[in-house]
Amino acid sequence: EVQLLESGGGLVQPGGSLRLSCVASGFTFSAFAMHWVRQAPGKGLEWVSGISASGGGTYYADSVKGRFTISRDNTKNTLYVQMYSLRAEDAAVYYCAKVRTDGYNNFDYWGQGTLVTVSS
Amino acid sequence: DVQMTQSPSFVSASVGDRVTITCRASQGIRSWLAWYQQKPGKAPKLLIYAASNLQSGVPSRFSGSESGTDFTLTISSLQPEDFATYYCQQANSYPLTFGGGTKVEIK
Repeated sequence: EVQLLESGGGLVQPGGSLRLSCVASGFTFSAFAMHWVRQAPGKGLEWVSGISASGGGTYYADSVKGRFTISRDNTKNTLYVQMYSLRAEDAAVYYCAKVRTDGYNNFDYWGQGTLVTVSS
Repeated sequence: DVQMTQSPSFVSASVGDRVTITCRASQGIRSWLAWYQQKPGKAPKLLIYAASNLQSGVPSRFSGSESGTDFTLTISSLQPEDFATYYCQQANSYPLTFGGGTKVEIK
């Protein structure tokens, strides 16, 4: 059974940093690109960042480019996003998501999400 | 960036109704369009991929179609468990983008 378990969310002050993790199980993690998608309270879904299966390719939304860094450790089956210079508008539930087996960037499995609150 | 314009934003419907939701892409995305269902407090669930392919385990009352840059999700006979918010998502190019969502509520 595929499982994605996010952690690392919490309360952080504006300008602060936070690292989210997503531990994967039930599939060959190193074979799939992975992504982060967020959802601000009461709002829609927003793609944040993606990383290729090997980690050699990374992609970012303009809203986080230069402030967030996505990475993965295929030996630990873990996806990360390091978030710097956090702003109020970064407050959201952050989901990690696995791409479909065919490799196209549709997401067939999602984690339960981890909540990031940015407030002083 | 590809903008995804989803409509309507809200649908009030009854059990057994046929419901249609549309997404229009601002430029060509071939068939790289997915539909998701999200219930309150839960992660999204993939329903349709590549515009018209039903994800494994999804009931056949859900279907997807395309015409150029217009994509449609149809629920042929709405069931109580289908009341949720639905999103489209283009997977043709980065940045990946979602539609604004359609909330399907009970009439």
